[in-house]
Amino acid sequence: GENVEQHPSTLSVQEGDSAVIKCTYSDSASNYFPWYKQELGKRPQLIIDIRSNVGEKKDQRIAVTLNKTAKHFSLHITETQPEDSAVYFCAASKSGNNDMRFGAGTRLTVKP
Amino acid sequence: DSGVTQTPKHLITATGQRVTLRCSPRSGDLSVYWYQQSLDQGLQFLIHYYNGEERAKGNILERFSAQQFPDLHSELNLSSLELGDSALYFCASSPRGQANTGELFFGEGSRLTVL
Repeated sequence: GENVEQHPSTLSVQEGDSAVIKCTYSDSASNYFPWYKQELGKRPQLIIDIRSNVGEKKDQRIAVTLNKTAKHFSLHITETQPEDSAVYFCAASKSGNNDMRFGAGTRLTVKP
Repeated sequence: DSGVTQTPKHLITATGQRVTLRCSPRSGDLSVYWYQQSLDQGLQFLIHYYNGEERAKGNILERFSAQQFPDLHSELNLSSLELGDSALYFCASSPRGQANTGELFFGEGSRLTVL
């Protein structure tokens, strides 16, 4: 089955700096790559996603890039704010979404 | 509020016991997914049901079982509980057909503590 690896496991940045989280996947048939944010004690929520027919997608301060050849994708957060502090999960799945596999998570801390 | 309802929110039990976690998906969603999140761990995929049928199975132990009922709610049964089963169990649902963008809508989770 699909295996998703995520790095780093923890990331600490100063407010206003950029943060980058990287993920790799193993199944070349995967074509949907979402990112979820989980605040402390809360449920994971989708923040952005990308499909395999697109190389980059942007939504305000967050962007995701996908390199299908290398089988890796990244989350970029610019101008970080303290409220960006959370655990971020990448995930990968195939069409039909039968079994979405998540990475181990990155705990992002934004210091004011 | 995602629209996914999970009960109970918290559950404390002893080793060797059996518990049932319940999930009601968003109205109209046919898919239900179960994930396990241990302390400071990622989301481990357990199982996926679509309209009552098992669609995919992940790292689900033989001591665990699940089912989805005709009214689309799902139950995750955990038996012969061990200390290591203590975790937050999330249920998620996704829409059917054209409305399915791939997004999973998570419930608030059921926190299981095994003493």
